[in-house]
Amino acid sequence: GAGVSQSPRYKVAKRGQDVALRCDPISGHVSLFWYQQALGQGPEFLTYFQNEAQLDKSGLPSDRFFAERPEGSVSTLKIQRTQQEDSAVYLCASSRGGAKNIQYFGAGTRLSVL
Amino acid sequence: SQQGEEDPQALSIQEGENATMNCSYKTSINNLQWYRQNSGRGLVHLILIRSNEREKHSGRLRVTLDTSKKSSSLLITASRAADTASYFCALLNNAGNMLTFGGGTRLMVKP
Repeated sequence: GAGVSQSPRYKVAKRGQDVALRCDPISGHVSLFWYQQALGQGPEFLTYFQNEAQLDKSGLPSDRFFAERPEGSVSTLKIQRTQQEDSAVYLCASSRGGAKNIQYFGAGTRLSVL
Repeated sequence: SQQGEEDPQALSIQEGENATMNCSYKTSINNLQWYRQNSGRGLVHLILIRSNEREKHSGRLRVTLDTSKKSSSLLITASRAADTASYFCALLNNAGNMLTFGGGTRLMVKP
């Protein structure tokens, strides 16, 4: 079936603007993860959902970051009042069940905050 | 913060040569995974090695794990230009609920 799909692929925002990034996981995958990847670095964990429940949001850098997965499938990562330091690639991954299972990644959304 | 540290940060080799990348970590783990990322793309899972395993093979890939030294290595044999990518180790914690990535090794294979 289709892989993990993320949209938009690229997003340019003015500082202070709100943005919403979308992730469509692989059908039937219970777990969904968001990561932030700065240029030249490895991905850093942001948050994790099991179905619609957000089980871990310890990686969210500030209260400007908010994620939801209301029906246990599609997820949205929202960043309010964007700052330049939010510029990064935001990766979404899904797995059959938890972090113990292999995670399948989307191509990411590259966010540039001017 | 990233728990895994990869070495070298960058590696350039000729096609046909072998490439070795290393990953060191500090805390105990459930398993260790290696991922590849082509420029501008998402990560692709390559291989997983559990904490009670010492070596694993998959095609041209060979992974070793030494839990006493808290280190792992990824060997790519007979490299091809298409192997050019960044390679990341990822550590699953003992609770099995979080995967943390290293900083990556950028591999360039020249034709």
